[in-house]
Amino acid sequence: GAVVSQHPSWVICKSGTSVKIECRSLDFQATTMFWYRQFPKQSLMLMATSNEGSKATYEQGVEKDKFLINHASLTLSTLTVTSAHPEDSSFYICSARPTGTGYSPLHFGNGTRLTVT
Amino acid sequence: AQKVTQAQTEISVVEKEDVTLDCVYETRDTTYYLFWYKQPPSGELVFLIRRNSFDEQNEISGRYSWNFQKSTSSFNFTITASQVVDSAVYFCALSDRTNTGNQFYFGTGTSLTVIP
Repeated sequence: GAVVSQHPSWVICKSGTSVKIECRSLDFQATTMFWYRQFPKQSLMLMATSNEGSKATYEQGVEKDKFLINHASLTLSTLTVTSAHPEDSSFYICSARPTGTGYSPLHFGNGTRLTVT
Repeated sequence: AQKVTQAQTEISVVEKEDVTLDCVYETRDTTYYLFWYKQPPSGELVFLIRRNSFDEQNEISGRYSWNFQKSTSSFNFTITASQVVDSAVYFCALSDRTNTGNQFYFGTGTSLTVIP
């Protein structure tokens, strides 16, 4: 149980285009989902907290206009990288836990490797 | 402030050796949870264990064992008789009551290579 599906697994796009990444909780509802970014050989950096039915909460230094987050339902959050540039190339990972489970472990998607050319 | 330190950046061991991955944490909260995750080369993060701050009992699961010591703020992870499949990056993480427990503080990870 508690499966998080992330799509696509990898994407290559041209500079200036936008890319949408989907994160779905397959067998549970998640009021809150989390988006992380990971640079090669580095730790996970929390980018934003996605809240169903309300605006996302962005971490300091993360451009909200650049990384658009939409939490359309209790099982789906999307991250759109707008006007992507090569420096946006990274590994993006979403995570979630069932609503109301407090400190339960986060369940992670398999990640999306974005390459901007 | 919350912080998780994994001082070992990279470790290499020969298959069947035991290896311990260190994790030291900081928090002012008295209620918190500690986690270990495994990230194999494929990239996904796999949950391994969760411990709460009130339970210092060590845990063993197969070849894996965890030593939680509040006195030294450490939560170390030992793999016994390591195997090639254990090669991965391992992250220690902390979650406390800041932001209602939503915030996970990850260490920088320890890259383990098991040599056949």
